Amino acid sequence: DAMVIQNPRYQVTQFGKPVTLSCSQTLNHNVMYWYQQKSSQAPKLLFHYYDKDFNNEADTPDNFQSRRPNTSFCFLDIRSPGLGDAAMYLCATSTRQGLNQPQHFGDGTRLSIL
Amino acid sequence: AQKITQTQPGMFVQEKEAVTLDCTYDTSDPSYGLFWYKQPSSGEMIFLIYQGSYDQQNATEGRYSLNFQKARKSANLVISASQLGDSAMYFCASFGNEKLTFGTGTRLTIIP
Repeated sequence: DAMVIQNPRYQVTQFGKPVTLSCSQTLNHNVMYWYQQKSSQAPKLLFHYYDKDFNNEADTPDNFQSRRPNTSFCFLDIRSPGLGDAAMYLCATSTRQGLNQPQHFGDGTRLSIL
Repeated sequence: AQKITQTQPGMFVQEKEAVTLDCTYDTSDPSYGLFWYKQPSSGEMIFLIYQGSYDQQNATEGRYSLNFQKARKSANLVISASQLGDSAMYFCASFGNEKLTFGTGTRLTIIP
């Protein structure tokens, strides 16, 4: 089945140690999104790619970077994770950006910081 | 700017009963889209239903229907004949300014 796959489901890293989360999709969607979701909160958009065009949210910390080497893959890099970065990270895709385009989410990666 | 308000942090509903989850929105965009997502405890976000601002009919998808009242800026989700598997967080969201804005969610618990 076509889907959005996030690896790993659970990631543990040390304070300050760089970590990379990955997302792949078989939907051939143009747009890929990264969200951060802390416990009992709504997902918060970090950035998105429309094809190769990168769009960063104004309040996304510089500590967070992203790469999209091709249509299928997108990575979230956290350069120096702090305790406040512990959260669920959700990847989503959509055909294009538009009012009637639902976003399709992966299962998420739950990041813990020691 | 988009704003979504979900005023019910938690709800408990008896199995097989219908349930309405409230959502109000605030937007200055003339055209907008409204979405509902379900998030079980495992974490994945599951798309349930969509309503466009110019759609004449209320959206329906199986047991899910959207009670869209444009003048009141509300887009309530109705789940008919609730099941134990419906227990989850439910998020209302709107699309505008190239992004999806989520409400704070409602945690629904179905009681056997």
